Amino acid sequence: GAVVSQHPSRVICKSGTSVKIECRSLDFQATTMFWYRQFPKQSLMLMATSNEGSKATYEQGVEKDKFLINHASLTLSTLTVTSAHPEDSSFYICSARGPLAGADNEQFFGPGTRLTVL
Amino acid sequence: SQQGEEDPQALSIQEGENATMNCSYKTSINNLQWYRQNSGRGLVHLILIRSNEREKHSGRLRVTLDTSKKSSSLLITASRAADTASYFCATYYAYSGAGSYQLTFGKGTKLSVIP
Repeated sequence: GAVVSQHPSRVICKSGTSVKIECRSLDFQATTMFWYRQFPKQSLMLMATSNEGSKATYEQGVEKDKFLINHASLTLSTLTVTSAHPEDSSFYICSARGPLAGADNEQFFGPGTRLTVL
Repeated sequence: SQQGEEDPQALSIQEGENATMNCSYKTSINNLQWYRQNSGRGLVHLILIRSNEREKHSGRLRVTLDTSKKSSSLLITASRAADTASYFCATYYAYSGAGSYQLTFGKGTKLSVIP
C-alpha cells in the first residue's frame, strides 16, 4: 500500500510555544489529507479535512486559529498547534487519500506524532 | 460525531482462543474497515468490507457485515499474544453533499491475549 510519513514522531514543548507537524505522502499524490487526534485510551477523532490548494474544513469544536493546517502541495500537509497548552497533549495522526482512491476511497495513515506540552 | 461503537470495550482471552469484537454504526455506509493499533503506535489497516458484501476473510481474520442491523463483527481465530492491541472499526460514509466522504472511528476494543 501507499506510504504516509509524519515528522516528528515525538515532540515535547513548553506551554505557549507553537509546534509544527508534517505529513507526507511518499509515493502518491494526496489530493485530500485528514488530521486526527487521539487522547489516551480513546478513539481517533477527525479534526479537519484539507484539499490541496484550498482551505481546510474543520470539524465542529476544533479551533481553526489554534490548529493551523496547510496543504500547499500534493505530497505535504502541515498541522501547526499554536500556543500549545497541556490540554493539547495528544497523539496526532494524519491520513491521505489520492485522486485514484477508487470506490473504496482508501485512506492511508501516518505513524502518528506524540505531542507532550509541559 | 462518532459513528461506530464497539463492544466489548475490553476483552481478555487465552492464546489459541478465538476473539470476537462487534461494531455498530448509525448511518448508511460505503464501506466498513477494521484497524489495529498497538499501544502508542499508528494504525494498521486489517480489512475492508463493502456495503454490498456480507462476509470477508483474510488469514485468521473473518469480518461480517449486516447492513440491516448496521453492525459488523471481527473474528480473530487461534489468537496469539502478538494480537494484543486495540481494534477499531471505521465507517466510510457520505456526510454532506455529493463526494464528501468521511472515515469515522468507533471507540475500540482493547484485546489482551494471555500466553
